[in-house]
Amino acid sequence: DIVMTQTPLSLSVTPGQPASISCKSSQSLLQSDGKTHLYWYLQKPGQPPQLLISEVSNRFSGVPDRFSGSGSGTDFTLRISRVEAEDVGVYYCMHTMQLPYTFGQGTKLEIK
Amino acid sequence: QVQLQQSGPGLVKPSQTLSLTCAISGDSVSSNSAAWHWFRQSPSRGLEWLGRTYYRSKWYNDYAVSVKSRITINPDTSKNQFSLQLNSVTPEDTAVYYCAKGVNWFDPWGQGTLVTVSS
Repeated sequence: DIVMTQTPLSLSVTPGQPASISCKSSQSLLQSDGKTHLYWYLQKPGQPPQLLISEVSNRFSGVPDRFSGSGSGTDFTLRISRVEAEDVGVYYCMHTMQLPYTFGQGTKLEIK
Repeated sequence: QVQLQQSGPGLVKPSQTLSLTCAISGDSVSSNSAAWHWFRQSPSRGLEWLGRTYYRSKWYNDYAVSVKSRITINPDTSKNQFSLQLNSVTPEDTAVYYCAKGVNWFDPWGQGTLVTVSS
């Protein structure tokens, strides 16, 4: 199985300040089709995960442009340029490179 | 837009079978371009993919090795839904269970069902 490792596991950020989350996979997520199957989800309290970023860097429909994703191969980063109160929750990276799909441990974002 | 509505009991006794259903609106369980999944989430195991069913001229299923001997995911084309059955449950199977639609990414998700395994 591919192991997904996120750091940090928690973040406390002042509104308006940036935030960054790292995700490393135990093997490359670059498929033979040229796509990299790395996704970012946000789970707000009491809700299911919601897709933020697909294939490393593509913002999903309705996701604010303060969210961005980057990386390649095995190293990936989610950035929030200016954190807002509504961004609180747990952020997960996930791969769909092969079965079984696996998630990172999650990064809990809190507002200072 | 596509919506998924989960139903099923929130309490199951040890050694019995956990059964959940995910009703689909706005899409078809028989779609040739979709796949239908079950996940679960617990403090000890985090978010865990359990399995999927999908139709590509015939039905296919894939399951996580951790539950492969105990799990069945079935489509129900007459009701446009799919189900999860997990046999011989133990307290370790206590979790919030989610259904979701997706091929490479997952959206939407069901609302989640907390299933507690306890006598």
